[in-house]
Amino acid sequence: DTGVSQNPRHKITKRGQNVTFRCDPISEHNRLYWYRQTLGQGPEFLTYFQNEAQLEKSRLLSDRFSAERPKGSFSTLEIQRTEQGDSAMYLCATDWRAEAFFGQGTRLTVV
Amino acid sequence: KQEVTQIPAALSVPEGENLVLNCSFTDSAIYNLQWFRQDPGKGLTSLLLIQSSQREQTSGRLNASLDKSSGRSTLYIAASQPGDSATYLCAGNLNWANNLFFGTGTRLTVIP
Repeated sequence: DTGVSQNPRHKITKRGQNVTFRCDPISEHNRLYWYRQTLGQGPEFLTYFQNEAQLEKSRLLSDRFSAERPKGSFSTLEIQRTEQGDSAMYLCATDWRAEAFFGQGTRLTVV
Repeated sequence: KQEVTQIPAALSVPEGENLVLNCSFTDSAIYNLQWFRQDPGKGLTSLLLIQSSQREQTSGRLNASLDKSSGRSTLYIAASQPGDSATYLCAGNLNWANNLFFGTGTRLTVIP
């Protein structure tokens, strides 16, 4: 297993368009997390799943954001009607025995 | 809300020097603490994890400690190398579910 995989690595979109990111976790890691990181800041928690159940959502996750994890495997994060303020790195993570493992992230640029 | 402060924000040292990075939490009730490294435009690489029952962890030239009474952690890097140049982030959680609170990082530059 090569670790947490995220696709695409980069996404440029026009304001108002919808975008979807995918995260493939390390197999057998039941918990999956999404974070957002803006330039010069640390990552901020968005939401997390235990298997297919979404157990917690941050107040940062506005109504335009939705995340799914069908069958407790890969996860998708969709942003509808993108705004320039959504430009950030979106990071996916899993954990095993308390240690968090992050993917390489998807860099979103909204123009 | 948990706030995490990392000092210094940036650090530049000559190769071979030992250095200490600092991290503090407003809520000292940290469950686990983890130090990460982030290279520009990349994801986070886990360096050290201090679990709830531990106070210190070591890996190679890296040593991290956690003082739960004060909510402070330090990352010690011995004999720094140019390859250590990166941003170092500390993060903690308040319970077993690993939604982490991150600091803004320390950007380290090791000059050959």
